[in-house]
Amino acid sequence: TQLLEQSPQFLSIQEGENLTVYCNSSSVFSSLQWYRQEPGEGPVLLVTVVTGGEVKKLKRLTFQFGDARKDSSLHITAAQPGDTGLYLCASIQGAQKLVFGQGTRLTINP
Amino acid sequence: NAGVMQNPRHLVRRRGQEARLRCSPMKGHSHVYWYRQLPEEGLKFMVYLQKENIIDESGMPKERFSAEFPKEGPSILRIQQVVRGDSAAYFCASSRGRANYGYTFGSGTRLTVV
Repeated sequence: TQLLEQSPQFLSIQEGENLTVYCNSSSVFSSLQWYRQEPGEGPVLLVTVVTGGEVKKLKRLTFQFGDARKDSSLHITAAQPGDTGLYLCASIQGAQKLVFGQGTRLTINP
Repeated sequence: NAGVMQNPRHLVRRRGQEARLRCSPMKGHSHVYWYRQLPEEGLKFMVYLQKENIIDESGMPKERFSAEFPKEGPSILRIQQVVRGDSAAYFCASSRGRANYGYTFGSGTRLTVV
């Protein structure tokens, strides 16, 4: 099983600041997905990246896939309290099995 | 509501009882996945099913746990003789086909064993 390492594990910042969280593996990803999970709810898909070097934007969120497809980052600009949640990266392994990293728990303080 | 429906949302069982968790996938989705999440942790894969077939159960504990997705009706995750360590949030997800397109998750069932 390909392991996905996310960092940092916990991040607490003030509203309006910028932040970046990371997802890394020692192996190449065929594709990578980012999810956000709010307390008491299931994860919600944010984006899928497939091509090395790919950059996707979702409002204030910017997702980047490394050139070698072994790492990905999520950058949030001007963070807001509504961005608080658990951010998970995941990759498909085996017959459609989605394997998740342990997540970055993000808290944005007003 | 066309989302993935899980019920119950909360389930309390005494040690030794059985827990049955239900999941109705999104309309048009024939692939169902079950995950377990312990507090402050990520999601751990348990089992992947298509209608009437278990495709991958590599994450299922060998004993007490079983899953099914019958031709008619919801997918069921069954835990027999529950123990305190089974307390967790159990999430179901569904997809139309290839997981490349992402899963849609339900809101989960929070199982508490007392």
